[in-house]
Amino acid sequence: AQSVTQLGSHVSVSEGALVLLRCNYSSSVPPYLFWYVQYPNQGLQLLLKYTSAATLVKGINGFEAEFKKSETSFHLTKPSAHMSDAAEYFCAVGSTNAGKSTFGDGTTLTVKP
Amino acid sequence: DTEVTQTPKHLVMGMTNKKSLKCEQHMGHRAMYWYKQKAKKPPELMFVYSYEKLSINESVPSRFSPECPNSSLLNLHLHALQPEDSALYLCASSQVLLVNTEAFFGQGTRLTVV
Repeated sequence: AQSVTQLGSHVSVSEGALVLLRCNYSSSVPPYLFWYVQYPNQGLQLLLKYTSAATLVKGINGFEAEFKKSETSFHLTKPSAHMSDAAEYFCAVGSTNAGKSTFGDGTTLTVKP
Repeated sequence: DTEVTQTPKHLVMGMTNKKSLKCEQHMGHRAMYWYKQKAKKPPELMFVYSYEKLSINESVPSRFSPECPNSSLLNLHLHALQPEDSALYLCASSQVLLVNTEAFFGQGTRLTVV
């Protein structure tokens, strides 16, 4: 069975600072991993996904994530935070039972001016 | 068109009412999903349709009844709901039902049961 753990339910950074959101996964098979963002009163939007083609994955809005098998991690980073990055971020792992992706509990990102 | 459109955006209903949520996509996706999301929580999968057939029902109470009339449309019929069913209901679609395909989400319907 797959599972995802997002370390830190709340992360606060200053505008222009590095953003680091942590995600660790557990999977019995090579995982497919996703990061989604959810702005207030909106649906989820895909930021990026890992499908084994490359360990460093670039996504939209300047975000990227690095797959580290040895650490079972898929942390999300952005070099310089913008106020517009304030949102809820979810890490998810694709399930072998297709359709049943497992979401982490989410991390709320706050960006201070 | 890369959108999943959900209507209505907001819905208030009494516990004896019958209402329906509607979801539409024109991306040619053959898998469609209903999720329920409580505040500050991740989405919880309710139903999955693949090629217009119900593929997954996550033991959802029968007061929620999904319907997939065609490959572009997904409905969720609501009847005799409870206040604890108040939540954001999200529809999503993906190209097919595979582990490596990402989901495209609608903006959701904010449901309040009074």
